[in-house]
Amino acid sequence: DGGITQSPKYLFRKEGQNVTLSCEQNLNHDAMYWYRQDPGQGLRLIYYSQIVNDFQKGDIAEGYSVSREKKESFPLTVTSAQKNPTAFYLCASSADIYQPQHFGDGTRLSIL
Amino acid sequence: AQSVTQLGSHVSVSEGALVLLRCNYSSSVPPYLFWYVQYPNQGLQLLLKYTTGATLVKGINGFEAEFKKSETSFHLTKPSAHMSDAAEYFCVDAGGTSYGKLTFGQGTILTVHP
Repeated sequence: DGGITQSPKYLFRKEGQNVTLSCEQNLNHDAMYWYRQDPGQGLRLIYYSQIVNDFQKGDIAEGYSVSREKKESFPLTVTSAQKNPTAFYLCASSADIYQPQHFGDGTRLSIL
Repeated sequence: AQSVTQLGSHVSVSEGALVLLRCNYSSSVPPYLFWYVQYPNQGLQLLLKYTTGATLVKGINGFEAEFKKSETSFHLTKPSAHMSDAAEYFCVDAGGTSYGKLTFGQGTILTVHP
């Protein structure tokens, strides 16, 4: 079945540590997105990529980094500069900007 | 600026009752409106979408929504609630950007009582 796979489902980070969240899609979608979800705040866009080797900052990019070396993959690194990283992170993809985005099942990041 | 407002952060209904989740949008360009559902610790699943054409849109699981331009609304309804409908619902506008940025409502948590 086509879809988006996020791993791991749960992730723990120590203070000062960088962690990388994986997102893989086999939908052949050009566009991919990373969102952060906090209770009562809906979803906020971190980074997006419209095509391989290109990505842009979203609304809350500070403390995060991404890469898009392959069409299928869009990993997100939460750096030590992100002071409040505890959240639910969702990856999404779409065929084009007019089509609905398909979401993965998310990664829940917590601080030890 | 584009915005989406969901009226009521929590809605509670009895099983078998009508479900009505309200959504109003504010956009200077034609909206592309979606409703998504999210179950605990899962991603978002598309319920239905409105882009152009028929203003009454039918989705999965018996849900439907009506686009009313004059009221800038896109309310989600289901005639008879089921226990499995308990989840959080998001109204989303994808119109107005060059890169598909989604404008999310704050979400409405639906509780269904036996």
